[in-house]
Amino acid sequence: GAVVSQHPSRVICKSGTSVKIECRSLDFQATTMFWYRQFPKQSLMLMATSNEGSKATYEQGVEKDKFLINHASLTLSTLTVTSAHPEDSSFYICSARTVGGGLKETQYFGPGTRLLVL
Amino acid sequence: EDQVTQSPEALRLQEGESSSLNCSYTVSGLRGLFWYRQDPGKGPEFLFTLYSAGEEKEKERLKATLTKKESFLHITAPKPEDSATYLCAVQNAGNMLTFGGGTRLMVKP
Repeated sequence: GAVVSQHPSRVICKSGTSVKIECRSLDFQATTMFWYRQFPKQSLMLMATSNEGSKATYEQGVEKDKFLINHASLTLSTLTVTSAHPEDSSFYICSARTVGGGLKETQYFGPGTRLLVL
Repeated sequence: EDQVTQSPEALRLQEGESSSLNCSYTVSGLRGLFWYRQDPGKGPEFLFTLYSAGEEKEKERLKATLTKKESFLHITAPKPEDSATYLCAVQNAGNMLTFGGGTRLMVKP
């Protein structure tokens, strides 16, 4: 299957600072990437959909000025949590969707990034 | 609005005790139903995609089936290493995924 990586895997930051999380599709090109947030023992909540070269589409209730998404290339999307606060502490997971080919159209997920804001 | 409901929320099995997990769904234009496995602190790992009613797929001790209203993930003779949360998701005509709440499976030796 396809491989998606995330960096960093864990980050601890002070309240008020910004944190950038990278998501890369390692062996395929992804025109569409997704960012999810997951709280303990809950399912994934879609935050935004990003298409390469265009602005991200945010889900209702997600502040686009707080969660900045950049999808500058077919293999890289970044999520920047600006002015992070303790309530932003969560598990952030990115996903990349394959398009056609032998992998059909499937969303593959990264390993996640655990963010703790003190 | 697309909806996915998984049951049970949690399932405890003895090693070797076969069982099934359920995923009921309503979706506007099903393009695919996905099963993922998620271990604590990790991202979901892709297991299967089912595209049409009647389709079945197998992988080791897991077998996924699909009808027009639900999907089952059958686990045959599970082992402790099968313990995880299993997530079901449907992809609609707009290519958006909707996830169920997951089933936490615990297999005791």
